[in-house]
Amino acid sequence: DAKTTQPPSMDCAEGRAANLPCNHSTISGNEYVYWYRQIHSQGPQYIIHGLKNNETNEMASLIITEDRKSSTLILPHATLRDTAVYYCIVRGQSYNTDKLIFGTGTRLQVFP
Amino acid sequence: EAGVVQSPRYKIIEKKQPVAFWCNPISGHNTLYWYLQNLGQGPELLIRYENEEAVDDSQLPKDRFSAERLKGVDSTLKIQPAELGDSAVYLCASSLTGPNEQFFGPGTRLTVL
Repeated sequence: DAKTTQPPSMDCAEGRAANLPCNHSTISGNEYVYWYRQIHSQGPQYIIHGLKNNETNEMASLIITEDRKSSTLILPHATLRDTAVYYCIVRGQSYNTDKLIFGTGTRLQVFP
Repeated sequence: EAGVVQSPRYKIIEKKQPVAFWCNPISGHNTLYWYLQNLGQGPELLIRYENEEAVDDSQLPKDRFSAERLKGVDSTLKIQPAELGDSAVYLCASSLTGPNEQFFGPGTRLTVL
């Protein structure tokens, strides 16, 4: 079973920031938070991951709370092409726990 | 550089027929994954290969599903015989060994009539 909880859907106006929340209250100390997204009719695409510090790359920012029980993915200036299902995944790093267990994700709709 | 290649992209068969899916991972990626994605759900891992060895096939329904990666490069997933409930998207992914980014192919959409 997925170890994360996400809202099923969200809307965002084009050009505005999209903030996608994720709860992972049972995360272990050595587990990372990963985000993937899946655009319609495509395979999932990696976005970003982090352990406990905030992370930023060219696609997004990841904010992880100090207790690590929740996180937020931020798309700073959403475009229509960001319309997709976003998956928050808790992932172990050892040989036996290195799995991507997808939940149902958040369907983000960016509107003009 | 080419991404993960899968074929066919779409397949329609009648129940009880066999079907096979092919995947060519990114060059140099030792780890290969097959996932199943039902409509409205996230992908679920079927099998994971490290080179030619299946290191996690606990979720593969072995009565009808089989997979191989004979030379540690490309892979084939087979279903025989197919059932109506097998209609889904079958995704292949690859990565470098370890907890690295997984790169996904576009998937094969199977429809069983």
